[in-house]
Amino acid sequence: AQSVTQLDSHVSVSEGTPVLLRCNYSSSYSPSLFWYVQHPNKGLQLLLKYTSAATLVKGINGFEAEFKKSETSFHLTKPSAHMSDAAEYFCVVSVFRGYNKLIFGAGTRLAVHP
Amino acid sequence: EAQVTQNPRYLITVTGKKLTVTCSQNMNHEYMSWYRQDPGLGLRQIYYSMNVEVTDKGDVPEGYKVSRKEKRNFPLILESPSPNQTSLYFCASSKLAGKQETQYFGPGTRLLVL
Repeated sequence: AQSVTQLDSHVSVSEGTPVLLRCNYSSSYSPSLFWYVQHPNKGLQLLLKYTSAATLVKGINGFEAEFKKSETSFHLTKPSAHMSDAAEYFCVVSVFRGYNKLIFGAGTRLAVHP
Repeated sequence: EAQVTQNPRYLITVTGKKLTVTCSQNMNHEYMSWYRQDPGLGLRQIYYSMNVEVTDKGDVPEGYKVSRKEKRNFPLILESPSPNQTSLYFCASSKLAGKQETQYFGPGTRLLVL
């Protein structure tokens, strides 16, 4: 069965310091993996996605993620946090079961302090 | 502007009073889907639609109905809402139903059932 585990429900960083949001997945098949961000009172916006091409994926706003098959991980990183990065982040596995099924992690809330 | 729109954005209702949440996309996408978001659970799929007149249940379909009479619209119907349907609802669409497809999300509808 496919599943997604976001290892931290809350992460707090200072502005200008690195961000690491951790995600482990379980999938019987070669997955597609996504990170979405949700700002307060907003919809979900795609940050980046992995679809079996390069294992290091670059996204918007300086975020990137590395697909590590041996560790079944897809951690999201950013070298330097900005106040505007404060939001909730979702790691998502996409599988095809005759239709496009997204399996969401529970989310990680990122707080950025001055 | 390419987008997914939902209406209303906020809704307070009482138990048993039928309601409809509309969803519309202007990207000529074939695949549309409804999710609900609850704290600590991420997003869970309610219903999805592969194309006009083709709909099927997701993971949590109880208490909901959908229809897809036109390609651009995918309304969510609660025939007899109950308090456990209080949640944040998202509509999403993608061009096709493949696992590599990016789903685009609407801004969300926050529903409170008293």
